[in-house]
Amino acid sequence: AQKITQTQPGMFVQEKEAVTLDCTYDTSDQSYGLFWYKQPSSGEMIFLIYQGSYDEQNATEGRYSLNFQKARKSANLVISASQLGDSAMYFCAMRAPTSGTYKYIFGTGTRLKVLA
Amino acid sequence: ETGVTQTPRHLVMGMTNKKSLKCEQHLGHNAMYWYKQSAKKPLELMFVYSLEERVENNSVPSRFSPECPNSSHLFLHLHTLQPEDSALYLCASSQDFSVAKNIQYFGAGTRLSVL
Repeated sequence: AQKITQTQPGMFVQEKEAVTLDCTYDTSDQSYGLFWYKQPSSGEMIFLIYQGSYDEQNATEGRYSLNFQKARKSANLVISASQLGDSAMYFCAMRAPTSGTYKYIFGTGTRLKVLA
Repeated sequence: ETGVTQTPRHLVMGMTNKKSLKCEQHLGHNAMYWYKQSAKKPLELMFVYSLEERVENNSVPSRFSPECPNSSHLFLHLHTLQPEDSALYLCASSQDFSVAKNIQYFGAGTRLSVL
């Protein structure tokens, strides 16, 4: 079954420190894509970073990096130098052929709170 | 600003009312989506349109009726809703489905309360 699991309902991090948000996935497809989105309290889902299953290097976008461990089926998001504005819900998502062409599987999210 | 605008941002309606949610994208994308986000549940895909043609309908009750008059606009018509339909309704758009890196861009959502 296609599934995304985010086991941390809530996380705290001190400002300027790094934090890792966990995501594991389950798929039997060889080709798939993994996404991370941020959702502030305003409601808008903001795309952060993408990792393709065949990408040999971990994706990075500014302060965001994705720790992709294919054998373990994990795609953890690492946020470096946390800022107060990083406080939000974070969702991991997957797109895989077996789920259907149009469907993204989302996790239940992790709420991150950055402390001053 | 992601280029996807949803109106209204908040909506309160009675169970017998009829209302519509509007979504507009300014990104030149070919695909548009409606999602329902309830507390402590993963996002639920409701409808997908590709070039104004509905290509996905995830067993959504008929009290939700989508409309896509052109590739930039998407509506969700609501009638005789139930209290359990109260949720955040998110619209998204993407370029196409042909590549794995098919990034969806979301609007800020309409928070719907059904009384």
